[in-house]
Amino acid sequence: AQSVAQPEDQVNVAEGNPLTVKCTYSVSGNPYLFWYVQYPNRGLQFLLKYITGDNLVKGSYGFEAEFNKSQTSFHLKKPSALVSDSALYFCAVRDATDSWGKFQFGAGTQVVVTP
Amino acid sequence: DGGITQSPKYLFRKEGQNVTLSCEQNLNHDAMYWYRQDPGQGLRLIYYSQIVNDFQKGDIAEGYSVSREKKESFPLTVTSAQKNPTAFYLCASSIGTTEREKLFFGSGTQLSVL
Repeated sequence: AQSVAQPEDQVNVAEGNPLTVKCTYSVSGNPYLFWYVQYPNRGLQFLLKYITGDNLVKGSYGFEAEFNKSQTSFHLKKPSALVSDSALYFCAVRDATDSWGKFQFGAGTQVVVTP
Repeated sequence: DGGITQSPKYLFRKEGQNVTLSCEQNLNHDAMYWYRQDPGQGLRLIYYSQIVNDFQKGDIAEGYSVSREKKESFPLTVTSAQKNPTAFYLCASSIGTTEREKLFFGSGTQLSVL
């Protein structure tokens, strides 16, 4: 069975400071990892994904994430946060060994960026 | 614009009533999904469909039903058997069902009980 943990319900950061949103996962086989962002009363928007290759993945809106196999982590980062980055962030994993890989989502982390 | 359209944006259900949430996509995607979102619980899969006229139960299918008569449409019915239907419902699609495919989401329907 696959699972995803986002240990922080909320992350508070001042505008211009670095932003990190944590994610750890558990899968039987190789993981395919995704980050999505959700603005209030909206659907989720894709930010980035890790399938294979370079452990550092760059995505939309200046976000990046680092895949760490030994720590089973896939933390989302942004060097300089903006107020407009305030939103709900979801980490998701699919298991490469699953014949039909369903997404397993984390519970989400609310990011609050203050001016 | 290509995308996924969910309607209505807000829906109210009376006791014992069945309600249907609409999901239409013009992305020519084969796979479609329904998720339920509750505060603090992330997204949980209700049903998914890999191809027309075929669909599978997800993790929380009880009290829900779906159909997939057309590639672009995947309506979800919340039946009276679903005792706690208040939630935000999200429809999604993907080009295929391989592990590499990302999901595209609609804007969601907020269902509340009167």
